[in-house]
Amino acid sequence: QITLKESGPTLVKPTQTLTLTCTFSGFSFSTIGVGVGWIRQPPGKALEWLALIHWDDDKRYRPSLKNRLTITKDTSKKQVVLTMTNVDPVDTATYYCVHRKMKLDSRGYYSVHHAFDFWGQGAMVAVSS
Amino acid sequence: EIVLTQSPATLSLSPGERATLSCRASQSVSTYLAWYQQKPGQAPRLLIYDASNRATGIPARFSGSGSGTDFTLTISSLEPDDFAVYYCQQRNNWPLMYTFGQGTKLEIK
Repeated sequence: QITLKESGPTLVKPTQTLTLTCTFSGFSFSTIGVGVGWIRQPPGKALEWLALIHWDDDKRYRPSLKNRLTITKDTSKKQVVLTMTNVDPVDTATYYCVHRKMKLDSRGYYSVHHAFDFWGQGAMVAVSS
Repeated sequence: EIVLTQSPATLSLSPGERATLSCRASQSVSTYLAWYQQKPGQAPRLLIYDASNRATGIPARFSGSGSGTDFTLTISSLEPDDFAVYYCQQRNNWPLMYTFGQGTKLEIK
């Protein structure tokens, strides 16, 4: 069973750096195709994809936030870390860690499907002075 | 960047009725489209992936269809537990990124 759990500060001051950690179980980055990402949701608003890291350490970012985001993984600890620099009150949101869907076929190979099948419970982060 | 537009913004129906939710992409996304359900205070739940495949454990009353730019999520007979917000999501090939629609709120009439 796949689980993910976010951890980090609940309150950050403007201009500071936000660091969020996702600790997961039930899968491994040693499996080809694995991807773990971050999605956020401001209060009362829609979902917004932020970043994704692949099993081979390839990293992808939302273009509009690319200069402020860094995603890394620690395979042995089974963690993914997202850092966001120079935060602003508009960054106030619930931040979700997500697993990108993979499916095992009859030949024993995994196929990647570009949807997110497991989500953490979310970490609410407020940016305020 | 591909933009997803969901309609209607709010849909008011009664239990037992059929719900039809729409998601339109600003350019073709092939069948790289997913649907999620979100209830207040909860993380979203994957319902449909690759436009028409139900995720594990999703009841058969949920179905997805479409390809290219026009997609539909259909709930054949609404149950009380189905009233929630629904989001569509697509994968942009280059640069690789994911975008969501603005959501459709399905409320009890």
